[in-house]
Amino acid sequence: QSVLTQPPSVSAAPGQKVTISCSGSSSNIGNNYVSWYQQLPGTAPKLLIYENNKRPSGIPDRFSGSKSGTSATLGITGLQTGDEADYYCGTWDYNLSAFWVFGGGTKLTVL
Amino acid sequence: QITLKESGPTLVKPTQTLTLTCTFSGFSLSTRGVGVGWIRQPPGKALEWLALVYWDDDKRYSPSLKSRLTITKDTSKNQVVLTMTNMDPVDTATYYCAHRRAPTGGDWFDPWGQGTLVTVSS
Repeated sequence: QSVLTQPPSVSAAPGQKVTISCSGSSSNIGNNYVSWYQQLPGTAPKLLIYENNKRPSGIPDRFSGSKSGTSATLGITGLQTGDEADYYCGTWDYNLSAFWVFGGGTKLTVL
Repeated sequence: QITLKESGPTLVKPTQTLTLTCTFSGFSLSTRGVGVGWIRQPPGKALEWLALVYWDDDKRYSPSLKSRLTITKDTSKNQVVLTMTNMDPVDTATYYCAHRRAPTGGDWFDPWGQGTLVTVSS
């Protein structure tokens, strides 16, 4: 059971938009930057978003990130079948000591 | 270009100690702000962060696994080693190492190694 809560799955049709939420608390998301990772089937995770809403070079602007209070959101527009993957949020948690936490992951299905 | 690659045993017996090595290129672990972390993923399950070592040899561990983990760095060899004691079948997972970046206040893991599957079984 992760301290960051994500929906287990989301789905949408090609071309549509989807959002994936990541809910935490003041000890993690509320006071730290959030990053998002995409894990395509059988591959290692890849950075999608860092510092809440910034995209690394090479990541299309169809992917966006935002943060409000103790929650963060990943948005994907113009869905493509190639976007089918697991998505994870991550951030630091400061609760007696500092440690990194990942969300439980969200499986995106493009119908 | 930054690359990382994990190496170590693919099979360990219960109660044994696991030693994994992350060999990297494209950056130096003596550069201020740099770090290398370990993350694992049991088959079909979520990512779980394990440990992180910084350029200044500061270390962070997962609270739930801290008593079993040790992370060390060898800057001259461009390697980071993770040891996990008292292995159990529930520790069966793909183990990843990743480069920690923090140039502008926040930090994140990028890129990741390809991962190595470790099975714990007698």
